[in-house]
Amino acid sequence: DIQMTQSPSSVSASVGDRVTITCRASQGISSWLAWYQQKPGKAPKLLIYAASSLQSGVPSRFSGSGSGTDFTLTISSLQPEDFATYYCQQANSFPYTFGQGTQLEIK
Amino acid sequence: QVQLVESGGGAVQPGRSLRLSCAASGFTFSSYGMHWVRQVPGKGLAWVAVIWHDGSNEYYADSVKGRFTISRDNSKNTLYLQMNSLRAEDTAVYYCVKGGEVNKMDSWGQGTLVTVSS
Repeated sequence: DIQMTQSPSSVSASVGDRVTITCRASQGISSWLAWYQQKPGKAPKLLIYAASSLQSGVPSRFSGSGSGTDFTLTISSLQPEDFATYYCQQANSFPYTFGQGTQLEIK
Repeated sequence: QVQLVESGGGAVQPGRSLRLSCAASGFTFSSYGMHWVRQVPGKGLAWVAVIWHDGSNEYYADSVKGRFTISRDNSKNTLYLQMNSLRAEDTAVYYCVKGGEVNKMDSWGQGTLVTVSS
């Protein structure tokens, strides 16, 4: 199985900050990577798919990049509603696997 | 808009069975692969299973292979997860998830909680 490792596990930031979360795959996955946002008590929400494609309805302050084994999710200017947990997920092969999550907290 | 509504969760003893259902609406159900993903409360996400749009293929996580069966009824726009030989470690919120192009999982249900305990 492909292992997905996110860093950091948690990050504190302020409204307006630029934040970057990284995700590394244990083997090459081309661009088959997605990012999700999850708020407490809610289902995950797809933000980015195919490494860099913005899901419909997602604000443009979210962006993704990378290919192969190394990927990043960037939030260009944090808004109050962005404080949540973020997960990466590989869609290269079954079983699909997720990173352990990054909790984005208010500083 | 896409709506996915899970049902069938609850408390069950180890070794027993449970069947989850997911009623889909707002899209052409028979055109999309469907997934189940689970989450232990307070923990991360774990993919469970996928079924092709026409039911012709399925894949499972190793942790559930041989115990869980994913299926669908395209005439009823409903996805199922038959869970047998349940274990305490199967305790989780189970989400029904719509697949999409370029392998994305683009719409999630609200989840249903399964608790396996004696």
